[in-house]
Amino acid sequence: DSGVTQTPKHLITATGQRVTLRCSPRSGDLSVYWYQQSLDQGLQFLIQYYNGEERAKGNILERFSAQQFPDLHSELNLSSLELGDSALYFCASSVRQGSYGYTFGSGTRLTVV
Amino acid sequence: AQTVTQSQPEMSVQEAETVTLSCTYDTSESDYYLFWYKQPPSRQMILVIRQEAYKQQNATENRFSVNFQKAAKSFSLKISDSQLGDAAMYFCAYRPDNNNDMRFGAGTRLTVKP
Repeated sequence: DSGVTQTPKHLITATGQRVTLRCSPRSGDLSVYWYQQSLDQGLQFLIQYYNGEERAKGNILERFSAQQFPDLHSELNLSSLELGDSALYFCASSVRQGSYGYTFGSGTRLTVV
Repeated sequence: AQTVTQSQPEMSVQEAETVTLSCTYDTSESDYYLFWYKQPPSRQMILVIRQEAYKQQNATENRFSVNFQKAAKSFSLKISDSQLGDAAMYFCAYRPDNNNDMRFGAGTRLTVKP
């Protein structure tokens, strides 16, 4: 157990629907990062929050949004889902914006049918 | 833009032997950090080793070590005494000191033969 909790572990939904992925960072970590990993590909950075504020944006579609709440948990909202959105979505956390590698959760496997 | 290249999509090693995974990166930054992550079939991302660019000494973690060549922008991972549990996808990652966007390479799939 890495200490980063992601729910749900698996999600199957239809095209056009909206889903919410949840992430609880490791205790004491203020930064949360979201990554997308499509089949047999590397990780693509989506967005980062630090202590409730958005700090960096990567290749995140306009149909996707995220937020970090006062208790530091974060949610990634995916709407108007398309088949190509099927992927493994990782959340990671870190204590600060610094040198340490991120601690990753076990991911949410999203399948859009 | 910073990019990370892993030129070996797949590698294979005999159990107990040594294998080296290659990684190069492109950056104009002077301060940055480099990482190797392991992703076993469980898909969990596990930090294997990290290197600060300002440190000349190569990082080592038990059977894992790196060969960091800053001028050549090269960051290879050496796995000694390979074990069956080392079989996984290995990702090289780069992160500049002033940025929160950790960039990953495409990965190298390592197979360990008994």
